[in-house]
Amino acid sequence: EDQVTQSPEALRLQEGESSSLNCSYTVSGLRGLFWYRQDPGKGPEFLFTLYSAGEEKEKERLKATLTKKESFLHITAPKPEDSATYLCAGGTSYGKLTFGQGTILTVHP
Amino acid sequence: NAGVTQTPKFQVLKTGQSMTLQCAQDMNHNSMYWYRQDPGMGLRLIYYSASEGTTDKGEVPNGYNVSRLNKREFSLRLESAAPSQTSVYFCASSGGPQETQYFGPGTRLLVL
Repeated sequence: EDQVTQSPEALRLQEGESSSLNCSYTVSGLRGLFWYRQDPGKGPEFLFTLYSAGEEKEKERLKATLTKKESFLHITAPKPEDSATYLCAGGTSYGKLTFGQGTILTVHP
Repeated sequence: NAGVTQTPKFQVLKTGQSMTLQCAQDMNHNSMYWYRQDPGMGLRLIYYSASEGTTDKGEVPNGYNVSRLNKREFSLRLESAAPSQTSVYFCASSGGPQETQYFGPGTRLLVL
C-alpha cells in the first residue's frame, strides 16, 4: 500500500529561523513527488515537482530536495507570510496522488 | 483564466438528501479528479477521469458517482448523503495523468 508520512505535524519558527520539513514515502511506481502549500479555507497551491533522486528545486525562500526514500522542504529565513500547511504527495503513472497529512508551519514575527 | 472553479462553496444537507458538486476548468486539461479532505486523514482520491469519456474509482469511491460532462466539467454526486460524507471536497485538473494537478477552492459539505 502506498504511504506518505510527513513530519513534524506542526512547526513553530521565529521569523528568520531556517528549518526543514520531512516527507517520507513508499509509493509503488513513483512518477513524481509533489509539494503543495495550503492556506486555511483554500485549495492546495502547487509549489514543486521532483522526479528523480538528487533533484533540487527552489522558489524564493523554499528549496525542495529528493532522495530515494525522502523529500525535504527547506525554508530559509522564513517570514510570517510563509505560514501555511505544506503538503507532499507521491504520484503514480495513472495520476493518483497519495498525500501526507501535512505540516502546519507557523512563523512568528 | 479562472483555473479550477467549484460550486457551491458551502452546503448543508440532511441525511438521505442528494446533491451534485460541480467542477469546471478552463486550462484545456485532459484529466480531472475529485478528492475529499478530512482532519487527520489528508487528501484522498474519490474518483478521477484520465480523459473525456472515461472515469475510474479512486481510494474512497463508495457513496459517490461522477460524470465527465465534457472536457471542461466533472461533477460529483451524492445520491443519499450520510454524516460520514461531511468533509471538504476538492476538484483538481491536470494536462495528463502524470502531470501537475491544480486544485479548486473546495466545497465544504456538512451532512446532519
